Amino acid sequence: RKEVEQDPGPFNVPEGATVAFNCTYSNSASQSFFWYRQDCRKEPKLLMSVYSSGNEDGRFTAQLNRASQYISLLIRDSKLSDSATYLCVVNEGGGFKTIFGAGTRLFVKA
Amino acid sequence: GAGVSQSPRYKVAKRGQDVALRCDPISGHVSLFWYQQALGQGPEFLTYFQNEAQLDKSGLPSDRFFAERPEGSVSTLKIQRTQQEDSAVYLCASSSSGKANYGYTFGSGTRLTVV
Repeated sequence: RKEVEQDPGPFNVPEGATVAFNCTYSNSASQSFFWYRQDCRKEPKLLMSVYSSGNEDGRFTAQLNRASQYISLLIRDSKLSDSATYLCVVNEGGGFKTIFGAGTRLFVKA
Repeated sequence: GAGVSQSPRYKVAKRGQDVALRCDPISGHVSLFWYQQALGQGPEFLTYFQNEAQLDKSGLPSDRFFAERPEGSVSTLKIQRTQQEDSAVYLCASSSSGKANYGYTFGSGTRLTVV
């Protein structure tokens, strides 16, 4: 089993749709969680951290479920510019090794 | 600098050649990471520096890979006797924090092609 697993997609959604991605992680000692966004042939960029209480940033909402060991990202009112690969990132507790999922591809269509 | 700078952007190496990839992190950033990203995959952790100390090199795939950060700023990733499976994008990231609960800023990467 991979340490961080994501549905690779692609997710094809129309503009204005709501879309959600899930990510599961295997190490129960993991302490820090993030979502990154990566555009084609570009570097990953931090989208948001994921807190235990859940957090929201505009159209984006991230949730953490420690009991089931998964994190989620919800995008409301999708824009064409949201088209990208979304990477789930988990840091193993006590160390600096950060594990990236393989990413979920999103295409938002007009 | 304003961002993480990596050079060269592209490198084509003949199999067996040695290469050196440079990373210039954001000024003052304590933490520096190297990742390897194969096509269609997420970045894979290679190594981590806190200032000049290499605290974790568990991700380096073989003893052909070597990284250093002698003065706690610029870092170099060296790959000796390159193989075709080394072809990937090598990403450097830095963080102002010495803790692992903050996100990183990535450079644009070096795309290495071994022929």
